[in-house]
This record gives sequence, C-alpha cells and structure tokens, in this order.
Amino acid sequence: SQQGEEDPQALSIQEGENATMNCSYKTSINNLQWYRQNSGRGLVHLILIRSNEREKHSGRLRVTLDTSKKSSSLLITASRAADTASYFCATARMGGYNKLIFGAGTRLAVHP
Amino acid sequence: DTGVSQDPRHKITKRGQNVTFRCDPISEHNRLYWYRQTLGQGPEFLTYFQNEAQLEKSRLLSDRFSAERPKGSFSTLEIQRTEQGDSAMYLCASSPRTGRAETQYFGPGTRLLVL
Repeated sequence: SQQGEEDPQALSIQEGENATMNCSYKTSINNLQWYRQNSGRGLVHLILIRSNEREKHSGRLRVTLDTSKKSSSLLITASRAADTASYFCATARMGGYNKLIFGAGTRLAVHP
Repeated sequence: DTGVSQDPRHKITKRGQNVTFRCDPISEHNRLYWYRQTLGQGPEFLTYFQNEAQLEKSRLLSDRFSAERPKGSFSTLEIQRTEQGDSAMYLCASSPRTGRAETQYFGPGTRLLVL
C-alpha cells in the first residue's frame, strides 16, 4: 500500500516559475527521498533528507521535512521545460532494509 | 559506471504464460530491489536481496512470483501463469554497501502487458 500522498496530483506552470510539491506520510521514517520519472521510464534520484534534517538544497531543488507533521515539500525554482516529469516522494522506515514506500506522485508540466 | 540495466524492456505475453525478467545492478552494489508500478501510481516494493540472500518479500509477491539472485550479481524475476492484473512496469534498483547506501539507483524497467 502507498505510504502517503503527494499534493497536488498534477501541476501546470510556465517556464521560469517555481513549482512546489508536497508529500505526507504515515509512519516514523529514517529518511525521505524524492525521485523524478520521465514518461514511461525509470526513476532518477533527486535528493535525500534524513529524519534529523529539516532542509536540504541541491542546485535548483529545495526540500524541507517536518517530522512532527509527517510531511515534506519539494521546491523547484526557475523551472524549465525539461523539468516536465512525475515526481515521487519515497520514505524508508526506521530499522528496515531501506525499502522505499512511494506516494502516487505529482505530474508536473512546465510550458515554454 | 554503466547503471542498472533490465532486459527485456518490453514484454507482451498471453494470459497463462510464464515470463522472466533480468536485472543487472551496478557492479559492486550488494543490495538489489524489485518494485512494480501500475499506471498512474508510484512503485510498490516487491522484494529485496542483500548479496544472494532474499531478505524480504512483499505480500504482493504471490506464489506465482519468484525472484533469485544466485551469485549476488544479476537477479531474475519470474512470473508463472501470468494474469492480466500482472500488467505493469517492473523496476529494479540497486544500492551500494557503503557511501550512498540509502540511495537507490533504478533501471529503465520492463513493461509487461498480459493479453
């Protein structure tokens, strides 16, 4: 079963705008990761944030984590048409084998 | 570093047939995972190998599904007596023992269609 939900399910923006996606989860976690998937292809790892971290940056990506609310957000700044993809958050539980539990994803469309 | 590869990329089969998929992880990655993804959903965990040992299996993995990693390198996922509900993308991922051990590197997937 899915760990949680991404919000919104779909997002359509213009190039240059920022895109924010949210993720909620249900159980205590060791880490939370964001992945990108271009249509019908494999997943590409974007960023990992551990349960004791609150914010992390990587290039145009900013991820926050609020363990008290069991939620995370992914911000993509100055979006490009090439950012068009589905974005998934995935959580790894404490003490597990790091198997990932994915949400249903946010489909982002960036228009030139 | 050639990445995770999966073969075949696409498979069409008739209901009741057996199919086998192969995954070649990144070399020296000792952890290997299989996931299944249906249209519009996120991937769902199926099973996990550490070296050649299968350490966890999801309840999604019915007795028609079997996975192996005989020498701790490549892995195979077999589905016997396929059903239309097995139609999905089957994704393989690997991760290293140390360093970025929590990051999983995914292959391109095998898309299965059961007619």
